Amino acid sequence: SAVISQKPSRDICQRGTSLTIQCQVDSQVTMMFWYRQQPGQSLTLIATANQGSEATYESGFVIDKFPISRPNLTFSTLTVSNMSPEDSSIYLCSVEVIETGANVLTFGAGSRLTVL
Amino acid sequence: QKEVEQNSGPLSVPEGAIASLNCTYSDRVSQSFFWYRQYSGKSPELIMSIYSNGDKEDGRFTAQLNKASQYVSLLIRDSQPSDSATYLCAVNVLGGATNKLIFGTGTLLAVQP
Repeated sequence: SAVISQKPSRDICQRGTSLTIQCQVDSQVTMMFWYRQQPGQSLTLIATANQGSEATYESGFVIDKFPISRPNLTFSTLTVSNMSPEDSSIYLCSVEVIETGANVLTFGAGSRLTVL
Repeated sequence: QKEVEQNSGPLSVPEGAIASLNCTYSDRVSQSFFWYRQYSGKSPELIMSIYSNGDKEDGRFTAQLNKASQYVSLLIRDSQPSDSATYLCAVNVLGGATNKLIFGTGTLLAVQP
């Protein structure tokens, strides 16, 4: 299965600043996704990162707040813009891979952001 | 109605017992169902997938799917303290041109030694 590297693994940020999270995969993948997991909560899909076109955002998430890049089939970035304490969360990059003939989702280790 | 619902728990079982985790979903056309395990501070890892009605067994884990009832469950036999984690049910949903995975809130399992 794919190996996903995310960085930073954690960061402490000041209110009003922006932070970019990088996701690198060791093989070419078609589908890449960004999820958020707020403290004590489950995973919420932010957007699908599309290679060569604009990301597809889920309800409640907008490009101005969470701009996403996908320059190729192995790399994506998620920026959390103009951060507030409510953005404190774990942000997870995930990719869809084929295992035993089925499409399954594999996750990176996540980036834990704390906004002061 | 939430798309994927789980009892948040905690579900506490003694070591060696069977742990039963349940999940219901709202999208009748969903075809793929997954159980992820998430240890505290770690990212989710896939433990079971199921696509057809009935049971699917893998070691101590059995996934059960009933599409008519929109219900999927996970049984863990001979539960071990190392099984203590949050178990996330995930359902594939068609959103626009893309299939996407929607997660339940997770059930916290505590296996007591």
